[in-house]
Amino acid sequence: GAVVSQHPSWVICKSGTSVKIECRSLDFQATTMFWYRQFPKQSLMLMATSNEGSKATYEQGVEKDKFLINHASLTLSTLTVTSAHPEDSSFYICSAPGRSGGANVLTFGAGSRLTVL
Amino acid sequence: GNSVTQMEGPVTLSEEAFLTINCTYTATGYPSLFWYVQYPGEGLQLLLKATKADDKGSNKGFEATYRKETTSFHLEKGSVQVSDSAVYFCALYSSGGSYIPTFGRGTSLIVHP
Repeated sequence: GAVVSQHPSWVICKSGTSVKIECRSLDFQATTMFWYRQFPKQSLMLMATSNEGSKATYEQGVEKDKFLINHASLTLSTLTVTSAHPEDSSFYICSAPGRSGGANVLTFGAGSRLTVL
Repeated sequence: GNSVTQMEGPVTLSEEAFLTINCTYTATGYPSLFWYVQYPGEGLQLLLKATKADDKGSNKGFEATYRKETTSFHLEKGSVQVSDSAVYFCALYSSGGSYIPTFGRGTSLIVHP
């Protein structure tokens, strides 16, 4: 089945530095990927939709200059948290859409836990 | 717009108890409905799905039936195990709307031995 690989799983960084999270579709091409942020008490917030070969579409309230998204190829999307601060600490999850059993389904990466000191 | 409402958690059960997690939705068009599961420290995994009214999705002992008349997709399992402890998300795609899925807030399930 479809697999999405997300790295790193855990990252700790100092305030003011930038962190890059990679999301790869391993056995299929993903022209679109979704980036979510998960807050405490488990709610998922869609941050942006990355599109191969074009600019990402950001959800309202998400800072484009802080959360840089690049979809460089049909199998790779990256999220860069720039000038990270402690309030950016969170669990970030990517996903890619595909087809399964006649339905559109999402395949998720394992998530990346970011801690900003 | 589309929306998904799940019962508040946490749901705490003893092993072998019966599980129901309620999910209702509003959507345009003819949505496909899903349950995703998230184990601690991991991303989400598709648990089961149903693409049309009266379909029953099932996997790993879990079941959910697509009820168009009540706009519901409740998750059930007859006998839960400690290993079922996780967060469960109800979600939908609407064929009449955008490709972006709509998720519920998630329901945490805790199963005690």
